[in-house]
Amino acid sequence: EDQVTQSPEALRLQEGESSSLNCSYTVSGLRGLFWYRQDPGKGPEFLFTLYSAGEEKEKERLKATLTKKESFLHITAPKPEDSATYLCAVHNQAGTALIFGKGTTLSVSS
Amino acid sequence: ETGVTQSPTHLIKTRGQQVTLRCSSQSGHNTVSWYQQALGQGPQFIFQYYREEENGRGNFPPRFSGLQFPNYSSELNVNALELDDSALYLCASSTRQGTYEQYFGPGTRLTVT
Repeated sequence: EDQVTQSPEALRLQEGESSSLNCSYTVSGLRGLFWYRQDPGKGPEFLFTLYSAGEEKEKERLKATLTKKESFLHITAPKPEDSATYLCAVHNQAGTALIFGKGTTLSVSS
Repeated sequence: ETGVTQSPTHLIKTRGQQVTLRCSSQSGHNTVSWYQQALGQGPQFIFQYYREEENGRGNFPPRFSGLQFPNYSSELNVNALELDDSALYLCASSTRQGTYEQYFGPGTRLTVT
């Protein structure tokens, strides 16, 4: 069964304190791994797509990496405005649905 | 470029009633997917529409139904509402060409009392 597990559930950082979020996945034939950011009460905002092991993508203070079993979202020198829930998802085998993890809620304090 | 829009923003219904939620896809996108997100959970796939046909369905009962129109906009209908249907309902649009990335709307918050 296709499955996505994210850890930790919650993460508190001081401004400037770098860290990583983990996304482990089990899927029959990866058709894409997606990272989204979600602010409270709003829809997920697309961040990155990764397709093959070894691939990396960067956007401002965020960098996403992919291995054959997991993905990491590295946050370098975070700011309070980076506070949000970060969701990881993979495509199902049919390529129709995104299967999401429960997310990691990041809080960055100044 | 216009993003995904949804209406209404919030809705309060009584158990047993029916509700219709609406979604306009991002310009250039021909595929619409619907998700349900309970508090503290990731979004759960309800179904996807492509060329006005249902193109995949998650583990949701038949009282969840949908439509897609020729302009690619979509509706989600839920009959016989239950308390557990209270959630944020998200619409996402995509194109079936290329990267299949799905772009989400702001959601509709449904409360069933």
